[in-house]
Amino acid sequence: AQKVTQAQTEISVVEKEDVTLDCVYETRDTTYYLFWYKQPPSGELVFLIRRNSFDEQNEISGRYSWNFQKSTSSFNFTITASQVVDSAVYFCALSSQDNYGQNFVFGPGTRLSVLP
Amino acid sequence: AAGVIQSPRHLIKEKRETATLKCYPIPRHDTVYWYQQGPGQDPQFLISFYEKMQSDKGSIPDRFSAQQFSDYHSELNMSSLELGDSALYFCASSLGRTERTGYTFGSGTRLTVV
Repeated sequence: AQKVTQAQTEISVVEKEDVTLDCVYETRDTTYYLFWYKQPPSGELVFLIRRNSFDEQNEISGRYSWNFQKSTSSFNFTITASQVVDSAVYFCALSSQDNYGQNFVFGPGTRLSVLP
Repeated sequence: AAGVIQSPRHLIKEKRETATLKCYPIPRHDTVYWYQQGPGQDPQFLISFYEKMQSDKGSIPDRFSAQQFSDYHSELNMSSLELGDSALYFCASSLGRTERTGYTFGSGTRLTVV
């Protein structure tokens, strides 16, 4: 069975602080993809990153960075110098293929509040 | 703890048929969201309901309709199915539209149109 755990339900930081959102996953598949999405109050899911299981290189995009550690089954997301506009719910997700097609599992989400 | 229940888990339909997907939110959650995720694509927001009224509307085709019932469960009705409707359909629920006190996604319904 596949599972995504985001242990932090809610995080509050003050603007300009760095914050890391944790994501731990479980899967028996050797080929899989990991995602992070941002969900603003409108309900849309905004794609942030996709990482495949064979690429453990960390990635940086502006103030965002991701740390993929296959050994610990973690795919953590760090926002540097947070801003009020970063306030949202962030979902980590796991995707793989089985005989029936694509599986996609969301974590429970972490609500980030960035205070001015 | 109870989670968001979606039924059926898998559904196979032929072109031009209709399909109804059901979503049962977490007890006491009053807000439901529907998403469509095509193969290799990101989930696309379709529509949401708060207290049985349509709340926000995304990229939902005119062939689709949805509603939320008095017990807060929601149904997504899809007519004149096309091959391109084959996708994973996720439902999520939360308590309150503006409070955003917690989103929970269901496991999804896999629709295959043949």
